[in-house]
Amino acid sequence: EVQLVESGGGSVKPGGSLRLSCAASGFTFTNAWMNWVRQAPGKGLEWIGRIKSESDGVTTDYAAPVKGRFTISRDVSKNTLFLQMNSLKTEDTAVYYCTTGASRMLLELLYWGQGTLVTVSS
Amino acid sequence: DTEMTQSPDSLAVSLGERATINCKSSQNVLSSANKKNYLAWFQQKPGQPPKLLFYWASTRESGVPDRFSGSGSGTDFTLTISSLQAEDVAVYYCQQYFTTPPTFGQGTRLQIK
Repeated sequence: EVQLVESGGGSVKPGGSLRLSCAASGFTFTNAWMNWVRQAPGKGLEWIGRIKSESDGVTTDYAAPVKGRFTISRDVSKNTLFLQMNSLKTEDTAVYYCTTGASRMLLELLYWGQGTLVTVSS
Repeated sequence: DTEMTQSPDSLAVSLGERATINCKSSQNVLSSANKKNYLAWFQQKPGQPPKLLFYWASTRESGVPDRFSGSGSGTDFTLTISSLQAEDVAVYYCQQYFTTPPTFGQGTRLQIK
């Protein structure tokens, strides 16, 4: 069974940093493209970035609002995905989801964690 | 970026009746290489993460009831629920994954009339 468990959310002041983690199990982590999607309170879904698999060069893509401030990485020895968030803004307040197609799909977002809430406020 | 626009923003339908949600992309999401539309539909219930209903515009994910159907090609897509059930109350999102960044529609809130 595929499981994705996010952690690391919390409250932070504008300009601060936070590191989110997503522990993955139930699939071959090294083969999966891993994504982060966020959802501001009461709002829609926003894709913020992904990291490709080992075989695809572990390259990253980011959405414009977070490019240069957020960094996605993965630790294959721990089957864990990370989201390093720097220079946080109030508009980054959201539930952050880790999502993937796992071993079944490359681009599709089939499996989702329960999310972790990040609140940026002074 | 490819903009995704859903209509309507909200919808109220009687139990047992048909519900239709439309999604329009600002760019073509049909691949000429494999003839697949890179379009997904998600259902999100309160307090839960989104659930993938369809990919390739019309391929139903395992476990999704067959009262749900997805259709369309190119830039215009539709999610249809043939006979609305109480458990279908949710917000529905379309998403294109043909271009980077993948983008979502703004969501359509479906309620019972």
